[in-house]
Amino acid sequence: GENVEQHPSTLSVQEGDSAVIKCTYSDSASNYFPWYKQELGKRPQLIIDIRSNVGEKKDQRIAVTLNKTAKHFSLHITETQPEDSAVYFCAATDFSGSARQLTFGSGTQLTVLP
Amino acid sequence: SAVISQKPSRDICQRGTSLTIQCQVDSQVTMMFWYRQQPGQSLTLIATANQGSEATYESGFVIDKFPISRPNLTFSTLTVSNMSPEDSSIYLCSVRGLGNSPLHFGNGTRLTVT
Repeated sequence: GENVEQHPSTLSVQEGDSAVIKCTYSDSASNYFPWYKQELGKRPQLIIDIRSNVGEKKDQRIAVTLNKTAKHFSLHITETQPEDSAVYFCAATDFSGSARQLTFGSGTQLTVLP
Repeated sequence: SAVISQKPSRDICQRGTSLTIQCQVDSQVTMMFWYRQQPGQSLTLIATANQGSEATYESGFVIDKFPISRPNLTFSTLTVSNMSPEDSSIYLCSVRGLGNSPLHFGNGTRLTVT
């Protein structure tokens, strides 16, 4: 089955700086890679996703890059703000598979220091 | 995206008892999943809830401990049976719509077993 590794486990940045979180996956059949943000006491919320037919996707201050050959993908947050502080999870799945459940990384606690 | 209503939002239960968690979606969805999130940890898939048939359980989870029902396309229940303190966790319902739509989560049930 799929195995997703996520680094770093904790990340502190100064407000306005950029943050990068990296994930690797093991199953070459995986073709869908979402990122979730979970604020304390709340549910995980989808913030951006990418499919294997593209290498990069941007949404305002957030971007995700995918390297299929190396089997890794990254989340980039620019101009970080205190409200970006949360736990971020990456995930992977094969959208064309019969089960299509997500396998999650271990999470990154991002703290944006004012 | 679909509106996912999960209840109860939290409960404190005595060991040896059982709790049933309900998940209601406001539109028909193709797939429903149940995840567990232990304190400070990532999301672990318990099972895929299959409409009108037995759920598909992941390794380490069994039907006797976590019976699941899904009588129709918009409703599912997860029961945590014969609870022990180790079952204290957040249990999350998640759904996917038609085609390659993303996974969304309910607000979760925070369970404490004393």
